[in-house]
Amino acid sequence: KNEVEQSPQNLTAQEGEFITINCSYSVGISALHWLQQHPGGGIVSLFMLSSGKKKHGRLIATINIQEKHSSLHITASHPRDSAVYICAVENYGGSQGNLIFGKGTKLSVKP
Amino acid sequence: AAGVIQSPRHLIKEKRETATLKCYPIPRHDTVYWYQQGPGQDPQFLISFYEKMQSDKGSIPDRFSAQQFSDYHSELNMSSLELGDSALYFCASHLGGAGSYNSPLHFGNGTRLTVT
Repeated sequence: KNEVEQSPQNLTAQEGEFITINCSYSVGISALHWLQQHPGGGIVSLFMLSSGKKKHGRLIATINIQEKHSSLHITASHPRDSAVYICAVENYGGSQGNLIFGKGTKLSVKP
Repeated sequence: AAGVIQSPRHLIKEKRETATLKCYPIPRHDTVYWYQQGPGQDPQFLISFYEKMQSDKGSIPDRFSAQQFSDYHSELNMSSLELGDSALYFCASHLGGAGSYNSPLHFGNGTRLTVT
């Protein structure tokens, strides 16, 4: 069993839809990252959180430490949101960038 | 704003050759992390440096070595290349040290290595 599980693996949505991507982990963590990877490989860090909720524009990330679960929400989705979204966790006691990655959720938003 | 720069963007090598990948962090960032992402695979942490010293080690093969230089750029040296080394190698940087916990990670666009 992977230490970081994401669901769904693939997601197709219509423009404007509300999107939720889920991440569950089985290890003790210092923080959880949500990353966006575009075709060609470039990665952008969206959020780093260790508790509660963060919002940036149309993106919202939440984490429940007790349940070892995090969600990434995209409101009013747009075709430019199409990318792979990766959940990654910092193992407790490890360095900040020593991340355990999930397998990613491939999002495709249709116009 | 300057981002994390990696070079080269693409590299083709033959089996048993060597390769050197470079990562230039954002100015003033003193911490660099290296990752390997095989085709269709999730990324794996390889190694990290803080202030020119190795700070953490992940699943880096013995055939690989890395270092961080005085200007904080880092190089990943790969020897005796194998077909299975074909992957996207990307690095990330941030400002390390005391009080830096919330310093966000900034990622490069990666070097795509193909071993034939």
